[in-house]
Amino acid sequence: DTAVSQTPKYLVTQMGNDKSIKCEQNLGHDTMYWYKQDSKKFLKIMFSYNNKELIINETVPNRFSPKSPDKAHLNLHINSLELGDSAVYFCASSTTGGNYGYTFGSGTRLTVV
Amino acid sequence: TQLLEQSPQFLSIQEGENLTVYCNSSSVFSSLQWYRQEPGEGPVLLVTVVTGGEVKKLKRLTFQFGDARKDSSLHITAAQPGDTGLYLCAGAEGGKLIFGQGTELSVKP
Repeated sequence: DTAVSQTPKYLVTQMGNDKSIKCEQNLGHDTMYWYKQDSKKFLKIMFSYNNKELIINETVPNRFSPKSPDKAHLNLHINSLELGDSAVYFCASSTTGGNYGYTFGSGTRLTVV
Repeated sequence: TQLLEQSPQFLSIQEGENLTVYCNSSSVFSSLQWYRQEPGEGPVLLVTVVTGGEVKKLKRLTFQFGDARKDSSLHITAAQPGDTGLYLCAGAEGGKLIFGQGTELSVKP
């Protein structure tokens, strides 16, 4: 059983389109995150949710809208996609505070053409 | 803004050699975590260090947290080709992980 699963694995789309990435965790964790990894492999936090409540919004453009229907799911919707949005997006989960480690999904490679 | 400086960024060595990766910051973190990432996959947690001065060992990998909880190191003894990958340090603070730039390690047979 995959602990943190995100779909799709690959997403190729045209500029201006709207797309969604879904994430689910079966670890019973309270906190879920979206991270973005750029072409230089640098990982930066975008959002975190704790028990469905938005905790961190790290100055991400409002074209990005996360939604957490329950504490096991965290989806990411992106409107009006731009070339600069091309990256690998990772979902992760942890116990509250995350001091004992995160579990990451296998990533969604988004390519905007 | 808290920053983690990780070095070196790239390391290419022969099988059997030893290596050390450093992770430094001017900020104090509540914990320091090390991850390994392989191509096409997400980072996988190797270890978490919480107490200043703490040393943890995972087979041939030794992790150390600085006394002031601002820096950490990862030492690999007798590297194997299977150790090849991207090593990431990350500091936990304010409910999020702040990552270093990563170290791309290549171990040649």
